[in-house]
Amino acid sequence: GAVVSQHPSWVICKSGTSVKIECRSLDFQATTMFWYRQFPKKSLMLMATSNEGSKATYEQGVEKDKFLINHASLTLSTLTVTSAHPEDSSFYICSAIQGLNQPQHFGDGTRLSIL
Amino acid sequence: RKEVEQDPGPFNVPEGATVAFNCTYSNSASQSFFWYRQDCRKEPKLLMSVYSSGNEDGRFTAQLNRASQYISLLIRDSKLSDSATYLCVVMDSSYKLIFGSGTRLLVRP
Repeated sequence: GAVVSQHPSWVICKSGTSVKIECRSLDFQATTMFWYRQFPKKSLMLMATSNEGSKATYEQGVEKDKFLINHASLTLSTLTVTSAHPEDSSFYICSAIQGLNQPQHFGDGTRLSIL
Repeated sequence: RKEVEQDPGPFNVPEGATVAFNCTYSNSASQSFFWYRQDCRKEPKLLMSVYSSGNEDGRFTAQLNRASQYISLLIRDSKLSDSATYLCVVMDSSYKLIFGSGTRLLVRP
């Protein structure tokens, strides 16, 4: 149980393109979803916390107009990297929880490469 | 100071060896603790939660010392398939996960 699906798994696109990443909880309703970014050999860094039906809470230093998050239902959250540039190239991972203080279950991750 | 600190390794051990990883955290208000495993270019996967009383899952034993703000993971009889990066993860009072940068384990034949 507790499967989280993330799509796409790999994106390569030109600078200036906007990229949408989907995160779905397949067999449970996720009260909260999280979006992380991980650069090579670095820790996962939380970008934002997303609750269904409300605005996402962004971590310090993360531009909300650059990284648009929509959490339309209890099973789907999307992250859109707008006007992506090479420095946005990274591994983006979502996670979901069924309730507070529960372990987070991670999606497969999306490897984003901006040329 | 980092919120969660781990020795990056790598730890290079033969099959069958016992290996221990340590982790310290800075926020005494942290409320839950986990070890995750991350394979190269993959998402983290929950290995086990960590409790003050210590807990064991097969070959894996985790310990938490709240007074010292110290977490450990012991792997016995290591297998080739244990090769991965082990992430020490702390949940803060806002239910956010704070990740260590990971300790890399290489198990050789």
